[in-house]
Amino acid sequence: DIQMTQSPSSLSASVGDRVTITCRASQSITNYLNWYQQKSGKPPNLLIYAVSSLQTGVPSRFSGSGSGTDFTLTISSLQPEDFATYYCQQSSSLPFTFGGGTKVEIK
Amino acid sequence: EVQLVESGGGLVQPGGSLRLSCVVSGFTFSDHYMDWVRQAPGKGLEWVGRTANKANNYNTEYAASVKGRFTISRDDSKNSLYLQMNSLKTDDTAVYYCARRSKRSSGQRDFDYWGQGTLVTVSS
Repeated sequence: DIQMTQSPSSLSASVGDRVTITCRASQSITNYLNWYQQKSGKPPNLLIYAVSSLQTGVPSRFSGSGSGTDFTLTISSLQPEDFATYYCQQSSSLPFTFGGGTKVEIK
Repeated sequence: EVQLVESGGGLVQPGGSLRLSCVVSGFTFSDHYMDWVRQAPGKGLEWVGRTANKANNYNTEYAASVKGRFTISRDDSKNSLYLQMNSLKTDDTAVYYCARRSKRSSGQRDFDYWGQGTLVTVSS
């Protein structure tokens, strides 16, 4: 199975900050990398698919980059509604696996 | 509007069985692969398994942790997805989500719509 390692596991940031979350795969997943946002008590919500493609309706302050094994989710200017937990997911091969999550908290 | 609505969760004793349902609307169900993903209390996301669409003969795949105990099925005439869970263990306690696999021309695989989830608690 492909292991997905996210860092950090949590971070504190202020509104307006630039936030970066990293995700590393245990082997190459080419561009089969997705990012989800999950707010407390809610299902995950797809933010970015195929490394850098923004899902419809997702604000442009979210962006993704990377290839192979190393990937990044960036929030250019953190907004109050962005405080949540973020998960990366590989869809290169079954079983699909998720990173452990990054909880973004208010500083 | 795309909607996925799970039901069937509840409290069950270890060794027991439960069947979850996911009724969908707002899209052509038979066109899509469908997956189940679970989340133990306070933990991360775990892929459980998936069923392919009609064009791919409804092929199913499962996570090792549930293989042989869980069965995914679907009824396209009812726009419904099912998860039959047998020989349940305390470690199966989680919120279970059904999720729609996107259909993108690039062949990318991601979950673009999710249900609200249904809680399964396995405890004596």
